[in-house]
Amino acid sequence: KAGVTQTPRYLIKTRGQQVTLSCSPISGHRSVSWYQQTPGQGLQFLFEYFSETQRNKGNFPGRFSGRQFSNSRSEMNVSTLELGDSALYLCASSINQETQYFGPGTRLLVL
Amino acid sequence: QKEVEQDPGPLSVPEGAIVSLNCTYSNSAFQYFMWYRQYSRKGPDLLMYTYSSGNKEDGRFTAQVDKSSKYISLFIRDSQPSDSATYLCAMGPTGNQFYFGTGTSLTVIP
Repeated sequence: KAGVTQTPRYLIKTRGQQVTLSCSPISGHRSVSWYQQTPGQGLQFLFEYFSETQRNKGNFPGRFSGRQFSNSRSEMNVSTLELGDSALYLCASSINQETQYFGPGTRLLVL
Repeated sequence: QKEVEQDPGPLSVPEGAIVSLNCTYSNSAFQYFMWYRQYSRKGPDLLMYTYSSGNKEDGRFTAQVDKSSKYISLFIRDSQPSDSATYLCAMGPTGNQFYFGTGTSLTVIP
């Protein structure tokens, strides 16, 4: 069974631009969570989607948004990029509430 | 108070040593407890997960959960240089969210 896939793997953007990241969960997994990982803060929860509905949201500004499609694929969008948004963005999928499986991440660099 | 506390290390051990990694948590509602291994610039890989209290063994790895003390551990026996990575503990869920430690950096010296 294929794992969680994320595209693109690497991105370089400049301040003020916007970016869209994509995540395809493991087949059959309907829950998708997004995290931001930085060396200083560790894994910070962004949001969680299940059946196209956002069920939970972390403490991030409104510039961070997401959505989930009927096939469970998910996207997250960051508008008006800031230097501090440089991070590894991780997507994790879950078939139930027992555990999560992570993708390889998208490394975003904001210049 | 953070939901999950994990000593960041770094931890450096000789090859063949037994490694003990630990996390404490504050929320007694947590039911599932996981350990992930993350190599540099990669996504976390699930090593083991357990439900409620008790032990679980998988090869050289043993996970322990003590819910009464709100304390979980991961033991690595006969550690190998390939075990050098950052280990993340995670637990939950509450409110459809899992909570993660900040990770412990482990280096196994040949």
